[in-house]
Amino acid sequence: DQQVKQNSPSLSVQEGRISILNCDYTNSMFDYFLWYKKYPAEGPTFLISISSIKDKNEDGRFTVFLNKSAKHLSLHIVPSQPGDSAVYFCAAPPGGTSYGKLTFGQGTILTVHP
Amino acid sequence: GAGVSQTPSNKVTEKGKYVELRCDPISGHTALYWYRQSLGQGPEFLIYFQGTGAADDSGLPNDRFFAVRPEGSVSTLKIQRTERGDSAVYLCASSSIPGQGGEQFFGPGTRLTVL
Repeated sequence: DQQVKQNSPSLSVQEGRISILNCDYTNSMFDYFLWYKKYPAEGPTFLISISSIKDKNEDGRFTVFLNKSAKHLSLHIVPSQPGDSAVYFCAAPPGGTSYGKLTFGQGTILTVHP
Repeated sequence: GAGVSQTPSNKVTEKGKYVELRCDPISGHTALYWYRQSLGQGPEFLIYFQGTGAADDSGLPNDRFFAVRPEGSVSTLKIQRTERGDSAVYLCASSSIPGQGGEQFFGPGTRLTVL
């Protein structure tokens, strides 16, 4: 049972354009979400998070949107840069908490072309 | 300060052998997590320590897998009678006091290959 799903295995965008990465979840108890970025041969690194009391959180070029009714979140990167090329994972801790074991999606490989 | 370190970075073993994977968390982090990542998948939770005790080991796939954290810092993941299906990247993460925004800091992982 895949509780966090990233249905797009890959995404390719041009430098300077917007990248939109999507994530869906099925567990209605989830109320906190994180995005991680992973480069080859490195561990995932935290990017941005959002609590269910918000529908948007912004940090520089990165914005995460949460649509609770649709159980959907998205990560927007504007403008995209070649250094953003990596695998992006959305993840959620157990419902009612902002910490603990994370349930990850399958990941989306983002390629930003110069 | 140093991040999370994991040793070895690569481990090749034969089916049926025993392996130990080590994780050094960030100093002062009380929570430590083990995940396993197979090709094309996201990390999958194995076990979570709070201090010396396992707070949640629900992700361990079977009794061949065991983890310890005897002094509340370094942790060792132990796999007995390895099988080819155990081949994966094993990731360790640590975090500070629970409730601090959920961010976990990951090590680079140990790539385990069972022949």
